[in-house]
Amino acid sequence: EPEVTQTPSHQVTQMGQEVILRCVPISNHLYFYWYRQILGQKVEFLVSFYNNEISEKSEIFDDQFSVERPDGSNFTLKIRSTKLEDSAMYFCASSVRGRIYEQYFGPGTRLTVT
Amino acid sequence: QKEVEQDPGPLSVPEGAIVSLNCTYSNSAFQYFMWYRQYSRKGPELLMYTYSSGNKEDGRFTAQVDKSSKYISLFIRDSQPSDSATYLCAMPGTSYGKLTFGQGTILTVHP
Repeated sequence: EPEVTQTPSHQVTQMGQEVILRCVPISNHLYFYWYRQILGQKVEFLVSFYNNEISEKSEIFDDQFSVERPDGSNFTLKIRSTKLEDSAMYFCASSVRGRIYEQYFGPGTRLTVT
Repeated sequence: QKEVEQDPGPLSVPEGAIVSLNCTYSNSAFQYFMWYRQYSRKGPELLMYTYSSGNKEDGRFTAQVDKSSKYISLFIRDSQPSDSATYLCAMPGTSYGKLTFGQGTILTVHP
């Protein structure tokens, strides 16, 4: 069964450093998302992406964040200058046209900012 | 008022019990109602979803929506230890796919 994959599974970085989190969505999916979950808190929406453009972003997704689909398979989230409060699980998700709410999540990347 | 509220539990039941998990929501524009299961340190897994009001059944799982009360439920029949996980309700509030999640209810089914 196809699934969303994410790398790395765990990333440790120092405050102020740039990180890139990578995702490979399910191959026939056209809609892509990033969510995050701070330990013990709700899963929070960050951004949705379709047709090489951001469709919607939350207030969390400020100028320090960016997304890109550099090729036909990868979808990345970049945090330019990490802060301690960026420490969280980051989940990528994808969905097909016509069923955008049926989102399939990857296993997540645990980001630890020290 | 929070958009989606869910009792975090924890909920502990014996194997074979019927489990009832619930969420309330405030936004009457919500039309789709999703249930996800999340095992520890894993990504959310889509269990089932319903559109508008009514019931939907899938094996041991039944999802129920009461739009008049802004209340949704997930019932698990004949619960198994493998059902032990956090159950998240989620609702899309925009046309661009953004899901708003509840806090999640931690469920433990003990043998």
